[in-house]
Amino acid sequence: DSGVTQTPKHLITATGQRVTLRCSPRSGDLSVYWYQQSLDQGLQFLIQYYNGEERAKGNILERFSAQQFPDLHSELNLSSLELGDSALYFCASSREGLGETQYFGPGTRLLVL
Amino acid sequence: DAKTTQPPSMDCAEGRAANLPCNHSTISGNEYVYWYRQIHSQGPQYIIHGLKNNETNEMASLIITEDRKSSTLILPHATLRDTAVYYCIVRVAGEGGSNYKLTFGKGTLLTVNP
Repeated sequence: DSGVTQTPKHLITATGQRVTLRCSPRSGDLSVYWYQQSLDQGLQFLIQYYNGEERAKGNILERFSAQQFPDLHSELNLSSLELGDSALYFCASSREGLGETQYFGPGTRLLVL
Repeated sequence: DAKTTQPPSMDCAEGRAANLPCNHSTISGNEYVYWYRQIHSQGPQYIIHGLKNNETNEMASLIITEDRKSSTLILPHATLRDTAVYYCIVRVAGEGGSNYKLTFGKGTLLTVNP
């Protein structure tokens, strides 16, 4: 158990819908990262937050957005969902966000029908 | 971040040592070598990392060549539960980088056989 929690574990929704994925980092970690794992693209970095502020952006679609709240939990919002958004979404956390070891949560499996 | 090359798959007998190689010939002086593994769609699990010295923890050992162009992850006594995809990642650690994302390649599928 890494100490990073993610909810929900599974999510099934329809095209065009909007969903919110939630992540709670390890106790004391200030930085949160979101990754997407699809069958054809592998594990890809989406976005990083540090203490409530966006720090780095990766291959995140404009339909996707994220935020980190004062209690340091983070939410990834996916809107106008398409079939191709079906994937595993992982959250990771690290102490300062400066390159320390990242610890991953168990992920949320999203299925868009 | 430097690119890494790993064999797509390897087999190992249960109880024997598993030696997983990784080439990172373009590694920079301030880049660390990280190893993660992913067991069947679970979240990636951190194993070990190192800069230039060999490292050991309760899970594995990491051997980095003197020129730092390659490394080997060693699982000393592989069990069936070690069957997973193992990722070798090179990344800047500490201040000096602009993006601390982890760049995952395809990794090595290690199958531990009974």
